[in-house]
Amino acid sequence: SQQGEEDPQALSIQEGENATMNCSYKTSINNLQWYRQNSGRGLVHLILIRSNEREKHSGRLRVTLDTSKKSSSLLITASRAADTASYFCATGETGANNLFFGTGTRLTVIP
Amino acid sequence: DAGITQSPRHKVTETGTPVTLRCHQTENHRYMYWYRQDPGHGLRLIHYSYGVKDTDKGEVSDGYSVSRSKTEDFLLTLESATSSQTSVYFCAISESNGDGTGELFFGEGSRLTVL
Repeated sequence: SQQGEEDPQALSIQEGENATMNCSYKTSINNLQWYRQNSGRGLVHLILIRSNEREKHSGRLRVTLDTSKKSSSLLITASRAADTASYFCATGETGANNLFFGTGTRLTVIP
Repeated sequence: DAGITQSPRHKVTETGTPVTLRCHQTENHRYMYWYRQDPGHGLRLIHYSYGVKDTDKGEVSDGYSVSRSKTEDFLLTLESATSSQTSVYFCAISESNGDGTGELFFGEGSRLTVL
């Protein structure tokens, strides 16, 4: 499979804490994207980081990319109960024509 | 929210029956995709389309066919449903060709149960 792998599979934190989840992949990529999925809903795009970028911010989200280690991390700062969802990384692999999704990290933020 | 509508949202059918899921978009995006989501597997691409009547296979295409006769509609057909096709199916659209340069917009999903 060309899927990425998220780590951890599940994460439970208190409201206000930071949440970090990681994604590892195996091939060369053009970029990497993070998506969020609330229970029973479709996925929503959060952020895209290109292979020549090392860090990107969007509101309370911070994404890093290390192409030498083939890994990315998503940091959510000052978490809220509304951040409770599953988070997926998706890789746009070089030469491919679609995204490959990981299996996701289930984040629970306790009020 | 991107204008993507999937129908039906829920369907229960029996093994061996044909099933068609419909994805309708109002965004005029060129690219459309069908994914399935199963526990432990994440999202896996079934088929995608890069234009009217232009389609290609994804990583789990066996047992599925697709058609796109209009820009706005992308149909996924299970010719003879099997229990292994019980899943949640998501349609997605993109302005780019899915090579990673563009974000995907997803529908709300169609939950299919094959008994």
